[in-house]
This record gives sequence, structure tokens and C-alpha cells, in this order.
Amino acid sequence: NAGVIQTPRHKVTGKGQEATLWCEPISGHSAVFWYRQTIVQGLEFLTYFRNQAPIDDSGMPKERFSAQMPNQSHSTLKIQSTQPQDSAVYLCASSSGTGNAEQFFGPGTRLTVL
Amino acid sequence: QQKVQQSPESLSVPEGGMASFNCTSSDRNFQYFWWYRQHSGEGPKALMSIFSDGDKKEGRFTAHLNKASLHVSLHIRDSQPSDSALYFCAASEPDMGYKLTFGTGTSLLVDP
Repeated sequence: NAGVIQTPRHKVTGKGQEATLWCEPISGHSAVFWYRQTIVQGLEFLTYFRNQAPIDDSGMPKERFSAQMPNQSHSTLKIQSTQPQDSAVYLCASSSGTGNAEQFFGPGTRLTVL
Repeated sequence: QQKVQQSPESLSVPEGGMASFNCTSSDRNFQYFWWYRQHSGEGPKALMSIFSDGDKKEGRFTAHLNKASLHVSLHIRDSQPSDSALYFCAASEPDMGYKLTFGTGTSLLVDP
């Protein structure tokens, strides 16, 4: 079991460029969550999918951020026109989706916007 | 307003000592509480969850929940240098799909 895989581990973009972050959940897990971690805001929920369907995106900035889960083996988080304040570690987690199941986190993608 | 308050911000204990962390929620909809640990450069990893009043022990780790005051704590006995990490409490509720609301975190340093 390789755990949750996130790629790339580090990404540097220029202001105004697009960034796409990838997540491969643990095989068999039906729930996928995205969180963002910064020194100032801490760990914040962004969005989550259950059985590939978007369920809750209440934490997503309304502009420029979007997330998809085209199949059960991967999810993407896309940030358009990146800004310096988007710099953060973006974490993906998956769980079995049953009740209060443990969420298993990937190592994160550190995004730096210059 | 932060829905999950955590203290202290940082903590230093000698090897073999006891480390204690505290967490209080302001939202009575939260029913489940988790403790996560994050080593540098890694994602958070769950230590244990608790949802019933009282104590729950797993090895060197003991969690305590008081539902009336929405206070949860974590105690690590016989702390080891490898326990040095960031510790987060997190809360969730069934109606919100069990998404996690995290506390601000506590940085633990165990001095060898």
C-alpha cells in the first residue's frame, strides 16, 4: 500500500500562471478531501468528493480554484492565475468513506507563487 | 473565530517525560474528535479518535473527552525524541460529511 500519492511535491509558478496539483487516493477509498496548510491560517478544508461526486466545496475560494475527480484513481486541484497568497502546502487525504473513518493524508504539494 | 482552539502553541519536555495537549471547541455540532501528528515534510497522520466521554488509551497515548465542556486532551507518556512533531486536534460532524476542522496545532520538542 503506497498510501496517498501527491504530485508534484514542489511547484514554483509565476504570478498569473496556472497550477495543477494531482492526487492519487488509496485504492478502494471512496472519499477524497483537499486541505490547505499555511503558517498563518493553519490547516483549512477546501473540498471533498465521495464516489467521485463533488459533495462540499465550501472551503474553496470562489474564483480561480477548481477541483475535479474524473475517475476513482485520481483527483486534481487547479488554481488559475496564481497569486502570492496562494502559496501553501496543499494536502490530499482519502478515507473509506464509512462514518467517522480515518483520513489518510498524502505528503502534500508545496506551491510557491513568485 | 477559530472553531477549534488548541493550546499550548509549543511544548518542550525531556525524554521520558509526559507531554499534554489541550483542545476546546466552540461548536456543539462536533461529535468526533481526532488527534493527528505531523512530522516535518510529511502529511498529518492520525493517532487516535475519541467520541465518548472519558478516557481512551492506545499504547503511550491517552485521549480524554468531556462532551459537556467540549474539551479534549491528549497525553503522551514516556515521550521519545521521535515524538517531536506538530500535533493537531481535529473535529468533525456527520452532517458535514466528516470533513475535519483543525485546531491551530502544538509544536512538541522532546529533548534527548
